[in-house]
Amino acid sequence: AQKITQTQPGMFVQEKEAVTLDCTYDTSDPSYGLFWYKQPSSGEMIFLIYQGSYDQQNATEGRYSLNFQKARKSANLVISASQLGDSAMYFCAMREVNTGNQFYFGTGTSLTVIP
Amino acid sequence: DTEVTQTPKHLVMGMTNKKSLKCEQHMGHRAMYWYKQKAKKPPELMFVYSYEKLSINESVPSRFSPECPNSSLLNLHLHALQPEDSALYLCASSTETGWNSPLHFGNGTRLTVT
Repeated sequence: AQKITQTQPGMFVQEKEAVTLDCTYDTSDPSYGLFWYKQPSSGEMIFLIYQGSYDQQNATEGRYSLNFQKARKSANLVISASQLGDSAMYFCAMREVNTGNQFYFGTGTSLTVIP
Repeated sequence: DTEVTQTPKHLVMGMTNKKSLKCEQHMGHRAMYWYKQKAKKPPELMFVYSYEKLSINESVPSRFSPECPNSSLLNLHLHALQPEDSALYLCASSTETGWNSPLHFGNGTRLTVT
């Protein structure tokens, strides 16, 4: 079974609008971390935001927020006020307590911001 | 600016060449990783070093040889590569291998094997 599922291969959003990128995960560990990364066409993987399994509040970092629904095992990334520079691949990832060395990546979502 | 530095940014090599990729971090991280990434795909784990010891080798062919000379440096030695090894090679580090530690990536080396 896939540990991380991203069902949106490509997304388009109008500049200045908000967009939600979906991520669902599968784990039986009580302790796990969820991460989102941005990868522009230049190639670098940029760490955006982290949510821990015990965190009561949704994580926020500037224009990025994570809609964490533990019972549904989803960790969607919300980008507010989209900018042209947000056009990139976005990867959701997970790390578990029992397999700490492993980072499980989803297949990614390609986001295009339209002027 | 990324705090994980990879050199070179681009590398073109023939199938008989020997080359090395280098990675350096000065964040005091004790876990370092090599990933291989093909276009439009997620990164694939190759190797993990934890406290300078190889802890994971994801059944990588022996033409890829990792080395961790010290806690700040990670090398990937390449020999007799195949054209299908052409990819983006990403180095990453984390404070440890705990479940709440993010990976911090370098900018990657784009490798082309001719």
